[in-house]
Amino acid sequence: DIVLTQSPATLSVTPGESVSLSCRASQGISTSIHWYQQKSNESPRLLIKYASQSISGIPSRFSGSGSGTDFTLSINRVESEDFSVYYCQQSYSLPYTFGAGTKLELK
Amino acid sequence: EVQLVESGGGLVQPGRSLKLSCAASGFTFSNYYMAWVRQAPKKGLEWVATISTSGSRTYYPDSVKGRFTISRDNAKSSLYLQMNSLKSEDTATYYCARLRSTIAAVWYFDFWGPGTMVTVSS
Repeated sequence: DIVLTQSPATLSVTPGESVSLSCRASQGISTSIHWYQQKSNESPRLLIKYASQSISGIPSRFSGSGSGTDFTLSINRVESEDFSVYYCQQSYSLPYTFGAGTKLELK
Repeated sequence: EVQLVESGGGLVQPGRSLKLSCAASGFTFSNYYMAWVRQAPKKGLEWVATISTSGSRTYYPDSVKGRFTISRDNAKSSLYLQMNSLKSEDTATYYCARLRSTIAAVWYFDFWGPGTMVTVSS
């Protein structure tokens, strides 16, 4: 199985800061990585597909990059509504797997 | 508007069975692969099952293979998950999710339901 390692586990920031969240795959997966946001007591929401492709309705401050084994979700100038947990997910091969998540919290 | 609404969760004893349902609306259900994803309390996400548009192909991780069965009724725009021989580690919120692929067979979950909680305990 492909293991996705997200770092850091928790990121404490103040609104207005820009941040980068990391997701590392245990083997090369091209750009078969997707990012989701999960707010407390809600279901996940798709943010980025295929490592860097934007999703309709998602604010432009969210962007993704990477290929192979190293991927990054960037949030340009964090807003208060962004404090939640972020997951990466691979669909390069079965079983689909998710990272353990990065919690973005208010400093 | 795409809507997915799960039902059927509850408290069940270890070793027993439970069947979850997901009612879909706002899109042509029969055109999409569908999936179940679960989340144990305070834990991360785990993919549970995927089914093709016709229902002829199904996929599972080893953790549920042989115990869980995903199915669908395209006439009713409904997705199901039959869970047998339940274990305490199956305790989780179960989400119904729509799958999409715009690059050859590389799928992502583009819409999720609110989830239904399953608790396996004696």
